[in-house]
Amino acid sequence: TQLLEQSPQFLSIQEGENLTVYCNSSSVFSSLQWYRQEPGEGPVLLVTVVTGGEVKKLKRLTFQFGDARKDSSLHITAAQPGDTGLYLCAGTSGNTPLVFGKGTRLSVIA
Amino acid sequence: GAGVSQSPSNKVTEKGKDVELRCDPISGHTALYWYRQSLGQGLEFLIYFQGNSAPDKSGLPSDRFSAERTGGSVSTLTIQRTQQEDSAVYLCASSLVTGDYGYTFGSGTRLTVV
Repeated sequence: TQLLEQSPQFLSIQEGENLTVYCNSSSVFSSLQWYRQEPGEGPVLLVTVVTGGEVKKLKRLTFQFGDARKDSSLHITAAQPGDTGLYLCAGTSGNTPLVFGKGTRLSVIA
Repeated sequence: GAGVSQSPSNKVTEKGKDVELRCDPISGHTALYWYRQSLGQGLEFLIYFQGNSAPDKSGLPSDRFSAERTGGSVSTLTIQRTQQEDSAVYLCASSLVTGDYGYTFGSGTRLTVV
């Protein structure tokens, strides 16, 4: 069974601070995806990483896929209150449904 | 439609009753997934459909749970003889095909069993 562990589980920071969220597994994935979920809504896809060592940037968000394709990180620069939400990583081996981590609940205080 | 539509958005039912949850995926998406999200938990996979292939039911927690997808489009998740532990948000998602493609999720159905 593939498992994804996210850390930290909760994160409360001041506006303008930087933060990193980690997603780790002992399994190899063909791709990892990051989603953001707000209360009362379904998760929304932020990015998909498919190549070991890949780095993708989305404005103030930087995503990295580990060289061995077992882990990923999400770094947010100069966090804003609008970044508040539940961040979920998810992985697949290709033809299998996504396996999700339990998420990191981020709160950015103005 | 433009997005994944789920109905109802909220459902309160008495223990022991049956419930049906509906999902209308994005037109043209061949893969459809059901997940369950309990308070403070991540998403738990339930079942997925890919085109005309037999569904992968490996995540269904008991035989009280079943799902069907008619005409490769709309899907219904049925829970029979509901129990309090079935209370959760049930999320449906669709994707172009199974694989490395991202999912588009609906807003979910919040099920409360009293």
